[in-house]
Amino acid sequence: DARVTQTPRHKVTEMGQEVTMRCQPILGHNTVFWYRQTMMQGLELLAYFRNRAPLDDSGMPKDRFSAEMPDATLATLKIQPSEPRDSAVYFCASGMGGSETQYFGPGTRLLVL
Amino acid sequence: GDSVTQMEGPVTLSEEAFLTINCTYTATGYPSLFWYVQYPGEGLQLLLKATKADDKGSNKGFEATYRKETTSFHLEKGSVQVSDSAVYFCALDQGAQKLVFGQGTRLTINP
Repeated sequence: DARVTQTPRHKVTEMGQEVTMRCQPILGHNTVFWYRQTMMQGLELLAYFRNRAPLDDSGMPKDRFSAEMPDATLATLKIQPSEPRDSAVYFCASGMGGSETQYFGPGTRLLVL
Repeated sequence: GDSVTQMEGPVTLSEEAFLTINCTYTATGYPSLFWYVQYPGEGLQLLLKATKADDKGSNKGFEATYRKETTSFHLEKGSVQVSDSAVYFCALDQGAQKLVFGQGTRLTINP
């Protein structure tokens, strides 16, 4: 049963620290999405990649967030420095180009103190 | 810009009750429409979808019909179960696989 995996599942850190979240998309999927979910804003698209190239990162605060795909099996989302307002659940999703269905990972719950 | 509006929750029903969760959208053209479900502690899962006007998506007893006249995609189920308790998200495809989600509706089913 192919699934998107994310690590860590939970992260508590202090303001100013660097946070790195990792995602392993479903093998063979060529599109990867990063979302942030908060009570106030709901589900927001931060960035997405196709064939490892960034297609759109307009939803991501550029000064502190960065997203990369070092290879086809790994996507990373980094926050440096982290702030309390970054506290949220971060989801990764993957899909195949040409198909609209996205498959979500279980999320990383981030708390910045 | 494109947007999705869902009925505000939370919604609480008794087991075997009829469920409707309203969803309306604003978009240029006729985007594909989706319902995703999020169970506690998990990511979103695709529940059903419809790709063109008058299409009906269905899965696990849930149904939704794409109505372009009313720009709506309401989710329905005839008899809900406790296991249907979750958060439900309506979404549209903005193009290039970019999805725009509604705020989500929390559903609780009591036995």
